[in-house]
Order: sequence, then structure tokens, then C-alpha cells
Amino acid sequence: NAGVMQNPRHLVRRRGQEARLRCSPMKGHSHVYWYRQLPEEGLKFMVYLQKENIIDESGMPKERFSAEFPKEGPSILRIQQVVRGDSAAYFCASSPRDEETQYFGPGTRLLVL
Amino acid sequence: AQKITQTQPGMFVQEKEAVTLDCTYDTSDPSYGLFWYKQPSSGEMIFLIYQGSYDQQNATEGRYSLNFQKARKSANLVISASQLGDSAMYFCAMRERDSSYKLIFGSGTRLLVRP
Repeated sequence: NAGVMQNPRHLVRRRGQEARLRCSPMKGHSHVYWYRQLPEEGLKFMVYLQKENIIDESGMPKERFSAEFPKEGPSILRIQQVVRGDSAAYFCASSPRDEETQYFGPGTRLLVL
Repeated sequence: AQKITQTQPGMFVQEKEAVTLDCTYDTSDPSYGLFWYKQPSSGEMIFLIYQGSYDQQNATEGRYSLNFQKARKSANLVISASQLGDSAMYFCAMRERDSSYKLIFGSGTRLLVRP
């Protein structure tokens, strides 16, 4: 049973470009969480999605950031018009139900030049 | 107020000895869960151990145990017989039922195991 998959593992963008981060949850998991980790800090919650629904986006910046988890395919975290402050590691986690343990993917390291 | 507090930015331990990593939490939700994750230098987040707020006994997973003191709101991780491969960042996290089960992380403790 493959774990949580994230791609790309590393992403370099110039200021103003768009970044698309993908997350495929573990088989049988329909709950996806996105977290952001700035250097030398703990992870901060961004958004929680179930298939085709955003359940909680209280940690997501109001502008430039969006997330989706379509019926088919991976969950996508999209950052438009990236700025240097968006440079971070973005982790996706999945669980079979909301009260179950979340298992993390390897993360995507975003660097904005 | 901080929801999760890890007061030890860095810790050293001698190989084969036990080490305790501290974690205190703050919540008014009667139903919550506490987690420990390990983040080695390669960067991935590895789940170690879970303790539910209604669990009567302390959780154990191999060399990891969680010293859960509910009245003191502490959930310390104990690693027995430390190994060189235990050198990593360790994060304590809490999940509250009334907050959509998202994880709230502490700032982490960097553990270095000395040979």
C-alpha cells in the first residue's frame, strides 16, 4: 500500500509565477490536510478537504492560495503570483476518517527566486 | 496562548540511554488527541505515537512511550535505548474534535544522539 505521494518534491519559481503542488492520498483515504513549514519552525495548518469539498480553510491566506480535491485525481494546492515569503515546505497528510491518524507525504520544497 | 509548547529547542542524549522530550498543551475541548512525529534531516514527517484524551493507559510503540499526565496537560515522549538514527527533530501535535481535527504543532525539539 503506497504512502501519501506528493509531487514535485522540489519546485523553483520566480516571483509572480504560479505554483501547483499535488498530493495523492493513501489508498482508502478521503480526507486530505495541507500544512506549511517555514525554515526552523513547526508545521502550520492551511486547509482540510474531503472529496470535492473544502471543510476548513481557516489557515489559508485569503489571497493567491487555493486548494481543491476533485472526485478523480489528486488534491492540488495552487499558489498564484508567488512571492519570496511563499518559500517553504508544503506537506500533505491524509486519513481515512477525520478522527484517524494523519499520515504525511514527503513534502514539496518550494523556492521562490 | 500557545496551544502546544515544546520548551526544549535542543537535546543531547548518549547512545543506548533513555531521553524524555517535553510537551505541554492547552485545550478546553474534552475530546482531543496528542501525537508525536519525527522529522529526520531528509525532511519527511514520520508518525510515532498517539494518545487519546480518554485513553486510560499511556501509549507505547516499541521504544517510544508517551507519558500522559492529563491534569498537568503534558504529553512527554520517552525514547528508550536511544540509537544514532533517532537524531532528528521531534514535533508534538494536538488535534481537537471541535477544530475539524486539524493538527496543531509545537515548535519542535532537535535531538542529537551521541555515540
